[in-house]
Amino acid sequence: DAGITQSPRYKITETGRQVTLMCHQTWSHSYMFWYRQDLGHGLRLIYYSAAADITDKGEVPDGYVVSRSKTENFPLTLESATRSQTSVYFCATGTGSYEQYFGPGTRLTVT
Amino acid sequence: GQQLNQSPQSMFIQEGEDVSMNCTSSSIFNTWLWYKQDPGEGPVLLIALYKAGELTSNGRLTAQFGITRKDSFLNISASIPSDVGIYFCAGYFGNEKLTFGTGTRLTIIP
Repeated sequence: DAGITQSPRYKITETGRQVTLMCHQTWSHSYMFWYRQDLGHGLRLIYYSAAADITDKGEVPDGYVVSRSKTENFPLTLESATRSQTSVYFCATGTGSYEQYFGPGTRLTVT
Repeated sequence: GQQLNQSPQSMFIQEGEDVSMNCTSSSIFNTWLWYKQDPGEGPVLLIALYKAGELTSNGRLTAQFGITRKDSFLNISASIPSDVGIYFCAGYFGNEKLTFGTGTRLTIIP
């Protein structure tokens, strides 16, 4: 039981391409979160979801789209990738919104 | 967005030494959390604190929720090589979002 998994772990894409990062959890936690981590900025919240079909913006949502049709999955889509979206992306889950458990991350490079 | 200030930004210590770090905010929080991140991995939750003044331990780690609710402290006793990493504090006020600290990087000198 891996708990929370992210795929792919590494991704290189070109500017303008659409890319989807996947997050899957086996804990049935109601809350799921997407963060990006950049040097000098720490962890910044992109989007979060309190339950299936409920999503809300975080601190840096522009350029990203999320959906949550099932409790266990929370994909993050970059509709038209830009170089500024090169980052490490972390998915997290929680039974509530504060004790959050993080996945291993996806390192995304946009060329 | 707001970030919590962590101090020190980095620490270089010898194995066996005790470590202290803190996290301060201009705003009050209802919950404080401490995470550790190893290179190439996601942050791992170490300790959660729910009440002002609370002192909680997890093995060699002890964390405290400051009385003013604007700060928190983490101590590591008798450091070992696997303690190396970045330690993040996070605060929660009830708006469904965590506010993260800037991190303290711990390095152990052989």
